[in-house]
Amino acid sequence: DAGVTQSPTHLIKTRGQQVTLRCSPKSGHDTVSWYQQALGQGPQFIFQYYEEEERQRGNFPDRFSGHQFPNYSSELNVNALLLGDSALYLCASSLTGQPQHFGDGTRLSIL
Amino acid sequence: GEDVEQSLFLSVREGDSSVINCTYTDSSSTYLYWYKQEPGAGLQLLTYIFSNMDMKQDQRLTVLLNKKDKHLSLRIADTQTGDSAIYFCAESISDYKLSFGAGTTVTVRA
Repeated sequence: DAGVTQSPTHLIKTRGQQVTLRCSPKSGHDTVSWYQQALGQGPQFIFQYYEEEERQRGNFPDRFSGHQFPNYSSELNVNALLLGDSALYLCASSLTGQPQHFGDGTRLSIL
Repeated sequence: GEDVEQSLFLSVREGDSSVINCTYTDSSSTYLYWYKQEPGAGLQLLTYIFSNMDMKQDQRLTVLLNKKDKHLSLRIADTQTGDSAIYFCAESISDYKLSFGAGTTVTVRA
């Protein structure tokens, strides 16, 4: 039974570019959440998707957007990349109200 | 409000017990969680406790919850070198988001 899978594992971009990160939830899960973890900090909630809609959003600018597909997989898009966007981006899946299970993340570096 | 606090470092001798402490602020949290993060990896769910429970035991792990003081602790019995990692306490805010502490780095010495 595959857990949460994320791609790519590492990515290097330059300021001003755009990036798309991908997540496949654990089998049977219908909810996907995205978190940003800066170096030395705990993860910060970006947003959560359920039934292909953004259900709740954290304190992140509109440059951060997402999508959920009918098969429950999800994408995180970040436009106009800034140096401060360098972080580990974590995807978590769950059933609503149940514990969230995390993938290994995508390490994004902005030059 | 949402503010989870943890001590930053813990050093423990192999075979001893480790106790990691956490305080949280949202009294409406439904669940409280402990996650483990090893270098270069994502977060592994270790255990969680429902807010109406006082204690939960799962093999070497014991979680204690003091809801009055909003204090959560994780005890790891017979700590091993493989337990060296960063441990995150998290509270659920509504049913949607998790609010994390900054993490406690546990170092196990021989």
